[in-house]
Amino acid sequence: DTGVSQDPRHKITKRGQNVTFRCDPISEHNRLYWYRQTLGQGPEFLTYFQNEAQLEKSRLLSDRFSAERPKGSFSTLEIQRTEQGDSAMYLCASSLAGDPDTQYFGPGTRLTVL
Amino acid sequence: GENVEQHPSTLSVQEGDSAVIKCTYSDSASNYFPWYKQELGKRPQLIIDIRSNVGEKKDQRIAVTLNKTAKHFSLHITETQPEDSAVYFCAAFNRGGKLIFGQGTELSVKP
Repeated sequence: DTGVSQDPRHKITKRGQNVTFRCDPISEHNRLYWYRQTLGQGPEFLTYFQNEAQLEKSRLLSDRFSAERPKGSFSTLEIQRTEQGDSAMYLCASSLAGDPDTQYFGPGTRLTVL
Repeated sequence: GENVEQHPSTLSVQEGDSAVIKCTYSDSASNYFPWYKQELGKRPQLIIDIRSNVGEKKDQRIAVTLNKTAKHFSLHITETQPEDSAVYFCAAFNRGGKLIFGQGTELSVKP
């Protein structure tokens, strides 16, 4: 499969625990985006990278959230001290820097915080 | 702030009828407008897009129109089929380099 992949697909955790998600973009894509989607809503932008540089972060991304893309390939999104309000689908998308608007999404990681 | 409004939130049509979903955007600098289809539990899939230098684009049963002056764009699906049933999201690519999504339209095509 040459599309965007995410791992894990589902994560159930207890409030206060830390979780980490991984995204592998399409191989030649140098832009990588993280979105959050809650039930009945459209995806909301969280942050994006061009290669290893994190270029923008949304106000939604509190200090409990951190994202990295150390080698400009895969990315991780970590949530510390999870809260019930963090329960959502976390989507990753990738695109080419020369065509940044055409974004292809991964299957998402569904997080449930108990 | 920047936002995209999408209507209706739900749409039910009979198989073979047409469906129209409308979106408005606030950032006049937006220049790219994709539409995504999301089936239950699956990833959003890009189905059609339009850029600001074009007024209309068509791909088989799907068409998108853009009115930059009014800052609105629409998705038109003709000859709907049950497999068109899904949630459809419009989006606008803004000057900050990110997609701003609408709230989604749940389309139900009844056989």
